[in-house]
Amino acid sequence: GQNIDQPTEMTATEGAIVQINCTYQTSGFNGLFWYQQHAGEAPTFLSYNVLDGLEEKGRFSSFLSRSKGYSYLLLKELQMKDSASYLCAVMDSNYQLIWGAGTKLIIKP
Amino acid sequence: GAVVSQHPSWVICKSGTSVKIECRSLDFQATTMFWYRQFPKQSLMLMATSNEGSKATYEQGVEKDKFLINHASLTLSTLTVTSAHPEDSSFYICSAREGEREAFFGQGTRLTVV
Repeated sequence: GQNIDQPTEMTATEGAIVQINCTYQTSGFNGLFWYQQHAGEAPTFLSYNVLDGLEEKGRFSSFLSRSKGYSYLLLKELQMKDSASYLCAVMDSNYQLIWGAGTKLIIKP
Repeated sequence: GAVVSQHPSWVICKSGTSVKIECRSLDFQATTMFWYRQFPKQSLMLMATSNEGSKATYEQGVEKDKFLINHASLTLSTLTVTSAHPEDSSFYICSAREGEREAFFGQGTRLTVV
């Protein structure tokens, strides 16, 4: 079956760095997405990786290893507004998105 | 990023009535649209996938006669919750995609059935 695993909850300190991991097992692979979702709001797109390596976009970076079925989202210089759920999603061979359950990130002052 | 507009943002309706939610892609052609529901503190649950001009594909356990989906054009899809009941109260979110590109989400609709 298809499966996406990511931690349920993480806590970090304002100004610090946090890494949210995502492992996946899917039927085929056409890219991995990270979305941010604040409570009561719809998800917003953060990043897309289809090739191995690190993609950097401001304070956020996303890494992919296709051979390991592994990705992480790295958030630097954490701000209180970064408190949200972070969703990992993989596009399978049918171009359907398979969603992880999300990681709730709590930022403390 | 691309813009997807969902309307209304919130709606309260009486039990037994029907509610229509619209999802529009404003600056791209949405060949595929997805409808999700999300209960508090839970993950997105895909309800159905619709491709323009064809019938929607519903996920297992989702009643197609209760949740009517229409994707009549490349910029508009609608979800109609028929004969709504309190247990249908939830956060409904649409997303739209052009081809195999990333999906963009609407703002979501919070439905409360009283």
